[in-house]
Amino acid sequence: GAGVSQSPSNKVTEKGKDVELRCDPISGHTALYWYRQRLGQGLEFLIYFQGNSAPDKSGLPSDRFSAERTGESVSTLTIQRTQQEDSAVYLCASSPNPTSFQETQYFGPGTRLLVL
Amino acid sequence: GNSVTQMEGPVTLSEEAFLTINCTYTATGYPSLFWYVQYPGEGLQLLLKATKADDKGSNKGFEATYRKETTSFHLEKGSVQVSDSAVYFCALSDRVEAGTALIFGKGTTLSVSS
Repeated sequence: GAGVSQSPSNKVTEKGKDVELRCDPISGHTALYWYRQRLGQGLEFLIYFQGNSAPDKSGLPSDRFSAERTGESVSTLTIQRTQQEDSAVYLCASSPNPTSFQETQYFGPGTRLLVL
Repeated sequence: GNSVTQMEGPVTLSEEAFLTINCTYTATGYPSLFWYVQYPGEGLQLLLKATKADDKGSNKGFEATYRKETTSFHLEKGSVQVSDSAVYFCALSDRVEAGTALIFGKGTTLSVSS
């Protein structure tokens, strides 16, 4: 079946502009996650959705970052007034069961964001 | 808080060499442990996992054993191939509000030459 997809695959923007990143999870997966991978760093957890609600937003780095999910499917991560330090690969993942420590998360290919 | 530390790369090996990538963790409770792999130009994918102490995860010739006494989950392969060249991430599951999330190490780049 189809895996997690993300769009765009690459995005170049100017400092101060807003960007929207999209994630289509695997159909039927309840949980959806956003992570960020900056150059030379590991993946940082940003936000997690259970269904359409986001119980944990603790990883969002600032109030310029927001995310929503509709129809227990597509999610959009929005970064307002982008800064150069926002440049990173943004990864989305989904899993069937959000409460299990044993659950595998399935990752999309990522969106590479470059802020000039 | 919970954390994962893995050896810095890059690791450069010849084909058929033995591979070890060290991973240690700090955690409260009983997390599951994972190795994810990112091949060039591809997304992250699960390589193997272990859900409790002394469990051994294995896949594609790779193995890792969940050692609670040493808080480690080292990745090993007896004979690497050129096709194993990739970035390897150690991770643990962590409790977040009403769910779980993964905490990752920084990744180790493996380069295998023929």
